Amino acid sequence: AAGVIQSPRHLIKEKRETATLKCYPIPRHDTVYWYQQGPGQDPQFLISFYEKMQSDKGSIPDRFSAQQFSDYHSELNMSSLELGDSALYFCASSLNREGSYNSPLHFGNGTRLTVT
Amino acid sequence: AQSVTQLDSQVPVFEEAPVELRCNYSSSVSVYLFWYVQYPNQGLQLLLKYLSGSTLVKGINGFEAEFNKSQTSFHLRKPSVHISDTAEYFCAVSDHSGGYNKLIFGAGTRLAVHP
Repeated sequence: AAGVIQSPRHLIKEKRETATLKCYPIPRHDTVYWYQQGPGQDPQFLISFYEKMQSDKGSIPDRFSAQQFSDYHSELNMSSLELGDSALYFCASSLNREGSYNSPLHFGNGTRLTVT
Repeated sequence: AQSVTQLDSQVPVFEEAPVELRCNYSSSVSVYLFWYVQYPNQGLQLLLKYLSGSTLVKGINGFEAEFNKSQTSFHLRKPSVHISDTAEYFCAVSDHSGGYNKLIFGAGTRLAVHP
């Protein structure tokens, strides 16, 4: 079965540079989520999109932005990178029918961002 | 907002021994609970989920979990572990306080299976 695809798998950037992470959700899934997992940490929710509209926002820095496109893929844009942004960034997708809150999230393998 | 607490950061265990990974959640009228496993350098894989109905939930790889409303717990168990079960395990709860669904994770428990 098709899974969530993330690219790139690894990314090395210098401080103050920008980075763009891409996510391709499972076909027909209507919700995309971004999570950040620091070393030895649990995944922290950043932002989500439902049917291409931002649906929820977590602890996402103002330097980061994200969007979901007409083909449902999503991109996380990160500017003015800091050393502390080094982490594993996960994208997840789910199918959330209106009023349903119990759909499990399906995660991609993540993008490991290293800021030097 | 919902939250989960994983009481053990690390659990060492010998191969073929039973294991229990503990998870407690914040009380709520309705709660949906999940266990995810993360192998090194990989993404999060769903082990099992509790949505409603039977309190004993069976998942993949021989794992099961029991939803206990009175103790607000959702502990993960396996009667006999393998070396290949060595991984990080995350308990998660569905949070829809913002009107949309997202998962809130616990801090994780590292299961280390020794030969």
